[in-house]
Amino acid sequence: DTGVSQDPRHKITKRGQNVTFRCDPISEHNRLYWYRQTLGQGPEFLTYFQNEAQLEKSRLLSDRFSAERPKGSFSTLEIQRTEQGDSAMYLCASSQTGIGSPLHFGNGTRLTVT
Amino acid sequence: GENVEQHPSTLSVQEGDSAVIKCTYSDSASNYFPWYKQELGKRPQLIIDIRSNVGEKKDQRIAVTLNKTAKHFSLHITETQPEDSAVYFCAASIRRRDDKIIFGKGTRLHILP
Repeated sequence: DTGVSQDPRHKITKRGQNVTFRCDPISEHNRLYWYRQTLGQGPEFLTYFQNEAQLEKSRLLSDRFSAERPKGSFSTLEIQRTEQGDSAMYLCASSQTGIGSPLHFGNGTRLTVT
Repeated sequence: GENVEQHPSTLSVQEGDSAVIKCTYSDSASNYFPWYKQELGKRPQLIIDIRSNVGEKKDQRIAVTLNKTAKHFSLHITETQPEDSAVYFCAASIRRRDDKIIFGKGTRLHILP
């Protein structure tokens, strides 16, 4: 399976700790998105990249969240000083550029902050 | 603002009947509207999408219709089957934001035996 892969699948951390997630997109995809999903809700946009350039970061996202895609391939999402409200599924998706290019999602990283 | 509204949040239909899920969007320049299905514990999967230059698209038992004037689009599932039970999300591209994709809150579809 050469789809989008995310690591780790699950992360349990204590409040106040920093966590980092990784996403490896489909190799020919130059768009990469991060979404957050809580139970019963739709994917909430966090940020996205065109190659290595970060195009937008959600205004709802605090400064504790940062994402990088240094070489335009894999991406990392870091959350500093985690809070219980950060507990969610963090989904990564990738696509080609252009109108009508569908998103392909990874299996997500489930974060639990205790 | 940028948003996609989706209704209903929950829908129960008898097996064999049709299901319709409706969404509205705010950005009049949106030009791409995908629908995703998410089964419990799994990733969202694209089931059908439509671009703004067409009004309707069909793929076997599912179809999507788009009304650009009213800024709404709908998912239609005919002859529903138990395996159609899942959460369905509509989404829209935001043209003014380099075509980023934002999602509705989802519709939980229950197919009743």
